[in-house]
Amino acid sequence: DIVMTQTPLSSPVTLGQPASISCRSSQSLVHSDGNTYLSWLQQRPGQPPRLLIYKISNRVSGVPDRFSGSGAGTDFTLKITRVEAEDVGVYYCMQTTQFPRTFGRGTKVEIE
Amino acid sequence: QVQLQQSGPGLVKPSQTLSLTCAIFGDSVSSNTAAWNWIRQSPSRGLEWLGRTYYRSKWYNEYAVSVKSRISVNPDTSKNQFSLHLNSVTPEDTAVYYCARAIAAVGGLDHWGQGTPVTVSS
Repeated sequence: DIVMTQTPLSSPVTLGQPASISCRSSQSLVHSDGNTYLSWLQQRPGQPPRLLIYKISNRVSGVPDRFSGSGAGTDFTLKITRVEAEDVGVYYCMQTTQFPRTFGRGTKVEIE
Repeated sequence: QVQLQQSGPGLVKPSQTLSLTCAIFGDSVSSNTAAWNWIRQSPSRGLEWLGRTYYRSKWYNEYAVSVKSRISVNPDTSKNQFSLHLNSVTPEDTAVYYCARAIAAVGGLDHWGQGTPVTVSS
């Protein structure tokens, strides 16, 4: 199975300041079709996860442009340019390149 | 607007079968571009993908090895829904269970059900 390792586990941030989350996979996520199926999900307290970004850097419709994804191969990053109160929650990276699909353990973004 | 509505019991006895249903609104379980997934979440295991079903001229399934001997994910075209059956459950199967759609153009899980907390206990 592909292991997804996220850092940090927790990210206390001041409102309006940036936040960055790293995700590393134990194998390359480049699929045989040439795509890299790395996505980022947000889970607010008491809610199901919500897809924010897919294929490394594509924002889902309606996701604010303060969220951006980057990376390649085995190293990926989610950045929030200016954290707002509604961004509080746990963020997960997920790979859908191989079976079984696997998730990182999550990074908790909280306001300082 | 795609919506997934889950239903099923929140308490299952050990050794019995956990059964959940996910009703689909705004898409079709027989779609040629979607796949229908089950995921669970617990404090000890985090998010764990369990399996999926999808239609590409015929029905296919993929399952996680960890549950492969105990799981089935089945489509119901008459009701436009799909189900999860996990047999021989133990307290380790206690989790919040989610259904979710994956769409080919995205490759990720773009719509999720509301989640069903399931406790395995006598």
